[in-house]
This record gives sequence, structure tokens and C-alpha cells, in this order.
Amino acid sequence: EAQVTQNPRYLITVTGKKLTVTCSQNMNHEYMSWYRQDPGLGLRQIYYSMNVEVTDKGDVPEGYKVSRKEKRNFPLILESPSPNQTSLYFCASRPSGGGGTEAFFGQGTRLTVV
Amino acid sequence: SQQGEEDPQALSIQEGENATMNCSYKTSINNLQWYRQNSGRGLVHLILIRSNEREKHSGRLRVTLDTSKKSSSLLITASRAADTASYFCATVISGNTPLVFGKGTRLSVIA
Repeated sequence: EAQVTQNPRYLITVTGKKLTVTCSQNMNHEYMSWYRQDPGLGLRQIYYSMNVEVTDKGDVPEGYKVSRKEKRNFPLILESPSPNQTSLYFCASRPSGGGGTEAFFGQGTRLTVV
Repeated sequence: SQQGEEDPQALSIQEGENATMNCSYKTSINNLQWYRQNSGRGLVHLILIRSNEREKHSGRLRVTLDTSKKSSSLLITASRAADTASYFCATVISGNTPLVFGKGTRLSVIA
């Protein structure tokens, strides 16, 4: 089954404790991205990657890191989480292409930083 | 940067009625997509319309695109309680640029 898998689904952590949210897709998509969703603000892009070893900042990259060492994986790293990073996070993937393609989303990771 | 802006923010209708949501955007686009999100879950793609298209249908969904007004609308006909969800428009400026989402319309369909 074609899917984007995020782990964990729920996470409560303390300020400053490094964490990684994993994202994996099995569709051989070139394009992967991370979004955060906050009430009243919709989805805002954190980082995206157009292919292996190619990453770029989205609209709200501060406090986050990513890496793309393999095509299928795109982990999101919070080196020193703060309470303002409490949010619902989504990973998405899609094929690259000039004609426009649909994105596939993971089920989300609800992060609480206390 | 928020490209799309949905209107209304929230919509409540009776089962069987039609629901119309609008999306306005700021810059020229390659395509516009609509997604649905059930409460707290991942987004699911509904329909994609390219900049050279004016209207598309998929089942009970009808999407229009007016590039001169930089706007799109999503019509759900004969709505059902199961259509209750948030609906987002997302724009792509060119083929490999990111999807940029609006803030969404929250639709409630009352049985």
C-alpha cells in the first residue's frame, strides 16, 4: 500500500531535549516536505527536499533541521525544542514533475513541549 | 507565506444541501489543488486543476478556476454528514515549487 509513515504519532517532551520525528515513504517520490499546523494559521511549510541531499527552507524553518540521505526518508530534527514548537506536524511526499502532482500526507505527529 | 485564502472560515449546512468554498490566491500558478482533512488526521488529496483549465469534476465535487480573478471554488453537491471536515486549497507556482496552503474552511454537515 502506498503510504507516508510518520513516527511517533504522539510525543510529549521537555524543553531542550533533542528529538527526531521520522518520515518514510514507499512511493519512490523525489519531493518530500514537512509542515506544521496550528489553530488559525493553517499549514505552514518548515522544510522541503526535491531529492537526495537537496533540502531547502520553507516559511518557518527556525528551530528545525532536516536531512535527506536516502530517497525514502526525511527526518525532522528539533535540536533544542521549545514550547512554541508544540504543534501538529505533517510529512508529505509527491513525485517531482512539471505538470503538477498530488501530495500524499502522513497521519501526523502531535508534539507537546513542556 | 500564505498564498491561498479560503472563504468562509466555517460553514454549517444541512445534509443534502450543496456546500461551496472559495479560495483566492496572490500570484500566478501552475496548478491549484484541494485537500480534505478529517479532525487531526492527515490531508487527503481531492482534486487538481491546472492553470489552463476552467472546471473539473470528480464525483460530487466540482472545482472551478478563474485565473483572471486569481480564485477557485469547490462545490460539494448533495452533502452528507461524512463530508464534515476541513477543506484546504493549495497552490503550486511552478512544477517543482512547494505546495502552499491556505488556512482552510471548516465544513459541518448536520444530519
